Amino acid sequence: GAGVSQSPSNKVTEKGKDVELRCDPISGHTALYWYRQRLGQGLEFLIYFQGNSAPDKSGLPSDRFSAERTGESVSTLTIQRTQQEDSAVYLCASSLAALYNSPLHFGNGTRLTVT
Amino acid sequence: DAKTTQPPSMDCAEGRAANLPCNHSTISGNEYVYWYRQIHSQGPQYIIHGLKNNETNEMASLIITEDRKSSTLILPHATLRDTAVYYCIVRVASGNTPLVFGKGTRLSVIA
Repeated sequence: GAGVSQSPSNKVTEKGKDVELRCDPISGHTALYWYRQRLGQGLEFLIYFQGNSAPDKSGLPSDRFSAERTGESVSTLTIQRTQQEDSAVYLCASSLAALYNSPLHFGNGTRLTVT
Repeated sequence: DAKTTQPPSMDCAEGRAANLPCNHSTISGNEYVYWYRQIHSQGPQYIIHGLKNNETNEMASLIITEDRKSSTLILPHATLRDTAVYYCIVRVASGNTPLVFGKGTRLSVIA
């Protein structure tokens, strides 16, 4: 596809359940980012993948959060034992690492609601 | 990354130019100025970026002061579809470090 694709677009889950969110970056983009946006708030950085380098996990809020990326393609963000404060829109972005200062291209996010 | 300061909200009449200011007084010589916008229920959209020269593309113009301590994003003929939150971000020039988003400016274009 032409842009960053995220699935599902909406997810409702019960407190305590695990969820997996998926991101398909733009083909050829080696850098991939996950952000979280709570209702009415700004974007919070979560994690960043750059090629085969170790990911920058400095933004993950707790050990319940983890993310994986297979090569330079799909990434999954996993939240274990979800809590109500995890309710937010989770946004994925990708960029061309080969280009100096390449802009980030965002998907439309997954809206997670924990009941 | 250096911090930026933007007004929380602005109004603009449809068809008029929208001028969105941003202060980044602690910007370093190797940091670029980026602008993104987020329309309701969508992911952020890249608009433009620059280092020290003024830049223009099909969406907007970016005017950076000579001392680089502030910049202005100009939408030359605002339409209702330009209603969004506009984020001004500074980012180091090397690599692909994550963008750090502030609270931005909520621009309302009024018919």
